[in-house]
Amino acid sequence: GIQVEQSPPDLILQEGANSTLRCNFSDSVNNLQWFHQNPWGQLINLFYIPSGTKQNGRLSATTVATERYSLLYISSSQTTDSGVYFCAAHWTGGGNKLTFGTGTQLKVEL
Amino acid sequence: ETGVTQSPTHLIKTRGQQVTLRCSSQSGHNTVSWYQQALGQGPQFIFQYYREEENGRGNFPPRFSGLQFPNYSSELNVNALELDDSALYLCASSLSGQGTHEQYFGPGTRLTVT
Repeated sequence: GIQVEQSPPDLILQEGANSTLRCNFSDSVNNLQWFHQNPWGQLINLFYIPSGTKQNGRLSATTVATERYSLLYISSSQTTDSGVYFCAAHWTGGGNKLTFGTGTQLKVEL
Repeated sequence: ETGVTQSPTHLIKTRGQQVTLRCSSQSGHNTVSWYQQALGQGPQFIFQYYREEENGRGNFPPRFSGLQFPNYSSELNVNALELDDSALYLCASSLSGQGTHEQYFGPGTRLTVT
């Protein structure tokens, strides 16, 4: 099956800083999703991005499917951005299931 | 539009017991997937249900089973609970047959096995 790796595993930022999270995947994917998991465990959809670039407020994402990676950009970070960020891939040979990366734990401090 | 809901929120069971978790899919969605998330890890795919049949299964033993009902809601059943079954169980719904595969998750059920 597909392997999904995320980096960095942990990140500490000062409020207002920018950051880039990376997701590498080992095989062709149908689609890719980014999630933010809040402290209560809820996975919140950030982007559904099989290719190209999307922006939503302070967040944006880029997927380069031919090079098998996706990036999540967080600008002007706020304390409410803290939590775990996951990317998850729909693998071409894996049906409709999502394969998750190991996550990036982000802490934004005042 | 109603989002994905799960019940119960928390559950404590004893090793060897059986448990049933429930999920209601987002309105308009016809597919439900179940995931297990152990502490500090990413969610792992258990299985998926589409048209009331299992439509793909991850690396989980047969004591993990499920159902999907005509209204697309779903149940996850786990028999003979083991301590390692303690985890957050997440349900996701999606719409199959429309080209996209975007999944939306419920708030989860936190299961503790003692």
